[in-house]
Amino acid sequence: GAGVSQSPSNKVTEKGKDVELRCDPISGHTALYWYRQSLGQGLEFLIYFQGNSAPDKSGLPSDRFSAERTGGSVSTLTIQRTQQEDSAVYLCASRAPGPGQPQHFGDGTRLSIL
Amino acid sequence: RKEVEQDPGPFNVPEGATVAFNCTYSNSASQSFFWYRQDCRKEPKLLMSVYSSGNEDGRFTAQLNRASQYISLLIRDSKLSDSATYLCVVNARDDKIIFGKGTRLHILP
Repeated sequence: GAGVSQSPSNKVTEKGKDVELRCDPISGHTALYWYRQSLGQGLEFLIYFQGNSAPDKSGLPSDRFSAERTGGSVSTLTIQRTQQEDSAVYLCASRAPGPGQPQHFGDGTRLSIL
Repeated sequence: RKEVEQDPGPFNVPEGATVAFNCTYSNSASQSFFWYRQDCRKEPKLLMSVYSSGNEDGRFTAQLNRASQYISLLIRDSKLSDSATYLCVVNARDDKIIFGKGTRLHILP
């Protein structure tokens, strides 16, 4: 079946612009996660959605970052007034309900801020 | 103590050798454990889940030691294609998922 789909694959934008990154999880997966990974670094947790519960936003680095998940499916991560330090790969993962379920990752969006 | 700790490596291992690495975790209430591999500039991919009784998938064996709070991954008869970063992942009871920073493995021809 279809995996986690992220778009765009690559995004180059000027400092100060807003960007929107999209994640389409695997059908039936109730949990959705956003991570950021800078070159040569580990995964940095950003935000987590589980069903209709309030999202866990504890990883968002600043108020320029926000995310929403409409209808319990597609999610959009928005970065306002981008800065050069926002350049990274943004990864989305989804997970099926129930204990012991692993995350499945999309290919990521490579964001470059000029 | 970090929530999930891994030796960053790199481990440089000749092709055909056996290599093992561990991962320690701090939350004794952790419920689920996984190993992922991540190739350079790619997304993490699930390698295997780790079960209490230990489990094997071909050349790969994973073990869980709840008493000492660590999991291990053993790779036998290593191949050049095994070169990657191996990520240890721990799920706490409340769905909090913690990734280790990864262990880099280089298989040498």
